[in-house]
Amino acid sequence: SAVISQKPSRDICQRGTSLTIQCQVDSQVTMMFWYRQQPGQSLTLIATANQGSEATYESGFVIDKFPISRPNLTFSTLTVSNMSPEDSSIYLCSVVGGSSGNTIYFGEGSWLTVV
Amino acid sequence: QKEVEQNSGPLSVPEGAIASLNCTYSDRGSQSFFWYRQYSGKSPELIMFIYSNGDKEDGRFTAQLNKASQYVSLLIRDSQPSDSATYLCAVGSSASKIIFGSGTRLSIRP
Repeated sequence: SAVISQKPSRDICQRGTSLTIQCQVDSQVTMMFWYRQQPGQSLTLIATANQGSEATYESGFVIDKFPISRPNLTFSTLTVSNMSPEDSSIYLCSVVGGSSGNTIYFGEGSWLTVV
Repeated sequence: QKEVEQNSGPLSVPEGAIASLNCTYSDRGSQSFFWYRQYSGKSPELIMFIYSNGDKEDGRFTAQLNKASQYVSLLIRDSQPSDSATYLCAVGSSASKIIFGSGTRLSIRP
C-alpha cells in the first residue's frame, strides 16, 4: 500500500479562519479522496480530487467551503474555509490501491478543532 | 434506511473469546466489502477485504459474506485487549463509491 502523509496532523483554529491541509503520497495514484469524520461519527466522503481538473464534490459539500487542489499524481490539498465549530473534525486523505484497485488506504489524518 | 448499518456497541467480550461484529448493507449491487479498525485518536487501518460469498480467514480474523442476505461479518478469535477499538464496515457500492458504516466499538475485558 502507498504511504500517505498529511500536514498538519493537528491544529486549533479560530472561528472564521481558513486552513489548508496537505496530502503527499509516496507513489503516483490516480484517485485521491478527502473524507471527514466528525466526533463520534463515521467517515463521510467530501470529494474526489481529480488531477488536472476540478474536484468532484459529494452532496452537501461545496467548492467554496472546501476548495481542493490536485496539481499532480502525488499531492493534493484541502482547504476548510471560514471555519465554524461544526467543522471540528478529522480530515482524512485517502488513495485507492490493493491488488484489485478498489481498496481505500488512509493517511494519518488531520485533527482540527475550531474555537 | 442507512446504506451501511452497524450496531454502535459497545460490544464487550472477555479476553480469549470470539468477538463477532456484524454489518448489513442496502445496495444489492455491492461487490466489495471491507473491515477497518480505528483506535482512538488514529486513522482507520484496513484489516480485511472480501469479495465472494463465504468465509475468508487471515490469522485471528475471519470475514464472512452473504450477498443474498446483504450481510457481512467479522470474527476475531482469541480476542486480545489490543483488539479494543472501533471497527468500521465499508461497502463498495454499485456506483463505485465506498460507503462506511458508523462503526462498532469493541471492548475486550481482561
